[in-house]
Amino acid sequence: DIQMTQSPSSLSASVGDRVTITCQASQDISNYLNWYQQKPGKAPKLLIYDASNLETGVPSRFSGSGSGTDFTFTISSLQPEDIATYYCQQYDNLPSPTFGPGTKVDIK
Amino acid sequence: QLQLQESGPGLVKPSETLSLTCTVSGGSISSSSYYWGWIRQPPGKGLEWIGSIYYSGSTYYNPSLKSRVTISVDTSKNQFSLKLSSVTAADTAVYYCARADTVTHPGVWYWGQGTLVTVSS
Repeated sequence: DIQMTQSPSSLSASVGDRVTITCQASQDISNYLNWYQQKPGKAPKLLIYDASNLETGVPSRFSGSGSGTDFTFTISSLQPEDIATYYCQQYDNLPSPTFGPGTKVDIK
Repeated sequence: QLQLQESGPGLVKPSETLSLTCTVSGGSISSSSYYWGWIRQPPGKGLEWIGSIYYSGSTYYNPSLKSRVTISVDTSKNQFSLKLSSVTAADTAVYYCARADTVTHPGVWYWGQGTLVTVSS
């Protein structure tokens, strides 16, 4: 089974800061990687699909990059409404996804 | 717009079977364009995939839960269901039903609102 790791597990940054989260797969998953945002009490929401494609309607301050085993998610200018937990998810075997453990983003 | 809604008991006793149903609206559960699945999230913790089913009836289960999980589809009601047997407190979680696209954005999961299931006597 493919395992996913994320770092950091949590971070605190100021409004306007650039925030970067990394996700690593235990084996090559090409670009089969999605990023979700989850706010308290809500279901996860898709932000980035296929490692680097912005979902329709998602602000352009969110971006993703990477392929193979190493991936990066970036918020170019952190906003108060971005307070949430962010998860990466691989779909190398489509019906059997694996999620990263999550990164909780807070405002300093 | 395809929507998913979970339903079922919010409280289950230890050793009993947890049963949830997901009703699909705005589309057909018999479509070849989707996988249907269950994902859970214990309070304060991360996301755990439980299992998935395709319209053909093919099922895929998380190896760590496989011995206790059954997922099935009822095409006449446009629903799919989860049964998790021999539950313990560790199975307390928000349970989400979800669909994965196979065409437009393969591998992307779209979620229901989730339902909290507590395992307690």
